Amino acid sequence: NAGVTQTPKFRVLKTGQSMTLLCAQDMNHEYMYWYRQDPGMGLRLIHYSVGEGTTAKGEVPDGYNVSRLKKQNFLLGLESAAPSQTSVYFCASSTRQGIFAGANVLTFGAGSRLTVL
Amino acid sequence: AQSVTQLGSHVSVSEGALVLLRCNYSSSVPPYLFWYVQYPNQGLQLLLKYTTGATLVKGINGFEAEFKKSETSFHLTKPSAHMSDAAEYFCAVSGTTSGTYKYIFGTGTRLKVLA
Repeated sequence: NAGVTQTPKFRVLKTGQSMTLLCAQDMNHEYMYWYRQDPGMGLRLIHYSVGEGTTAKGEVPDGYNVSRLKKQNFLLGLESAAPSQTSVYFCASSTRQGIFAGANVLTFGAGSRLTVL
Repeated sequence: AQSVTQLGSHVSVSEGALVLLRCNYSSSVPPYLFWYVQYPNQGLQLLLKYTTGATLVKGINGFEAEFKKSETSFHLTKPSAHMSDAAEYFCAVSGTTSGTYKYIFGTGTRLKVLA
């Protein structure tokens, strides 16, 4: 059981280049999230999805786009990378099932470290 | 809106000493509260969570946390620190906007365990 898989694990970009981070989960989870982690700032939500074909903005969505064409995949795109987007990106997923839906645990991927020069 | 404040970005304890990591939350509705741990170069994994009922919650690796509504706190403790506990710890609150749950994380506390 792989859980949440993120690719690539590392990437170096030049300012202005574009790239896509892929998140894949095999747990049939409805909810998926993209966070960025920066020193002293914890995890900040970029975008999230509550189901196939749906996406929504989080706290820090500017400069990013997402798509969820298949339930198991959640893509994070940077159209024109900037140095401020240097960060570690984490994908997470959770089910919406259960009486306490908001108490469902997030399952995280191992992270993707992105450096923009 | 929900928010989380973790007091102390770095905490050092001696091996065998008490671990206390502080978390205060703000929530307009009864909160769901979590502690996650992140080991170097890994993703976050759940330590424990509070949903409802018993206010003292036990988690993995000997950690526990107590939900105190009057103090809006959810501090994490462990009676005796072990070298393997060195990691970054995140407190989180789950809240709903229009029926969709989002998870808000604190800024993290890096725990160092001294031999």
